[in-house]
Amino acid sequence: NAGVTQTPKFRVLKTGQSMTLLCAQDMNHEYMYWYRQDPGMGLRLIHYSVGEGTTAKGEVPDGYNVSRLKKQNFLLGLESAAPSQTSVYFCASSYRGQYEQYFGPGTRLTVT
Amino acid sequence: QQQVKQSPQSLIVQKGGISIINCAYENTAFDYFPWYQQFPGKGPALLIAIRPDVSEKKEGRFTISFNKSAKQFSLHIMDSQPGDSATYFCAASGRGSTLGRLYFGRGTQLTVWP
Repeated sequence: NAGVTQTPKFRVLKTGQSMTLLCAQDMNHEYMYWYRQDPGMGLRLIHYSVGEGTTAKGEVPDGYNVSRLKKQNFLLGLESAAPSQTSVYFCASSYRGQYEQYFGPGTRLTVT
Repeated sequence: QQQVKQSPQSLIVQKGGISIINCAYENTAFDYFPWYQQFPGKGPALLIAIRPDVSEKKEGRFTISFNKSAKQFSLHIMDSQPGDSATYFCAASGRGSTLGRLYFGRGTQLTVWP
């Protein structure tokens, strides 16, 4: 099992450009999450999904959109990137709520 | 509003010593308290977790102590080793509308000197 994979691993964007981060899991988990990690701020939840076709806002959803068309995939979109979105993005999945969250290796995004 | 407050922000311990990281919460609906460990360049991974029906849980050198009345919980690392050097995050989750969401503390960077 690959667990949770994220694509791409690194990306540099110019302000105003758009991109999509892909998260895939092969553990048949119901729940999936997108976090951003910034120095001194811990892990902040952007959006999450409790099942295929459902999404919900987390703590810092502005400027991001998500989709969960297939159970194994969770996409994070940035429509118009801003320097404030420079961060490391982690995807995670879990069987249900309050079960272990399995994290991907992260995507380092720089917006210039 | 920060749901889970973690301290200290950084911690330096000598090899063989005890590392202690503390967390506090306000929401009494929280009933699941995991700790995650993160090495540089990697995603966090679950280290140990506790539910409020017990006051302590031990796994090897790692122990969670839980004080429900004070709404505090802490991680103790006994006989700390250089390989324990990592960032540690406490978290909390509750039932109801927040089920599935983990609220993380801001992390503690632990350095264990040989």
